Amino acid sequence: AQSVTQLDSQVPVFEEAPVELRCNYSSSVSVYLFWYVQYPNQGLQLLLKYLSGSTLVKGINGFEAEFNKSQTSFHLRKPSVHISDTAEYFCAVSPGGYNKLIFGAGTRLAVHP
Amino acid sequence: DAGVIQSPRHEVTEMGQEVTLRCKPISGHNSLFWYRQTMMRGLELLIYFNNNVPIDDSGMPEDRFSAKMPNASFSTLKIQPSEPRDSAVYFCASKKTGENTEAFFGQGTRLTVV
Repeated sequence: AQSVTQLDSQVPVFEEAPVELRCNYSSSVSVYLFWYVQYPNQGLQLLLKYLSGSTLVKGINGFEAEFNKSQTSFHLRKPSVHISDTAEYFCAVSPGGYNKLIFGAGTRLAVHP
Repeated sequence: DAGVIQSPRHEVTEMGQEVTLRCKPISGHNSLFWYRQTMMRGLELLIYFNNNVPIDDSGMPEDRFSAKMPNASFSTLKIQPSEPRDSAVYFCASKKTGENTEAFFGQGTRLTVV
C-alpha cells in the first residue's frame, strides 16, 4: 500500500524567510510525485510535479522540490516567502500502474509580516 | 477551458434529506475523482471513474453514498439520507488517464447538514 506523510501540520514563518515543507512517502512501486496548493475557499492547484529526470523540480510562484529516492522524500522549498504564500500545501503520490492520487494530510503555511 | 465545474458551491440541508452534488470535468479528460475534505480526516478519495466506469469505490464511506457518471461530461455524487457527519467540502477532479498526469480540481461544494 502507498501512503504519504507530511511531517508538519502547521509551519509559521516570517515574510522573506526561507521555508521547507516536508513530505515522505512509502510505496512498493515507483511513484510520481506532486505538490498542490489550496488557498482559502478554493480548490487545489498544481505547484509542481516530479515524473522523471532531474531530481530538482521547479514549480510556480518560486517553489521547488527535490526528490530523494533513498530517503523517499519530496520536500518543498522556497527561498523567500511572501504573505500571499499563506495557504495549505498538499503532497501527493501517484503509484506506478495506478491512475489515482494519494494525498498527505496537508501543511498549513502561515506567513507573518 | 472553464476548468472543472462543480455545483452547487454551497449546500445546506436538513438531516435525512437527499443531497446531489454535480460535476462537469474538463473536456478530453477521461478520469474523474470525487474527494471529501474535512478537518479531522483531511482529503479522502471517495471514488474514481475511468471512461465513465467506476474503478475504485473503496473510499465511499457507506451505502448512503452513491456516484454515477452517465457520460463523459457529467458526474453526480448523491447522499441519501444525509447526516450531520457528512458535512464537509466535496471536490471533483479530472485528469487524462495515466499515472503521470496531474489532476485538476473544481472549486468544491461546501455541504452543511443540520
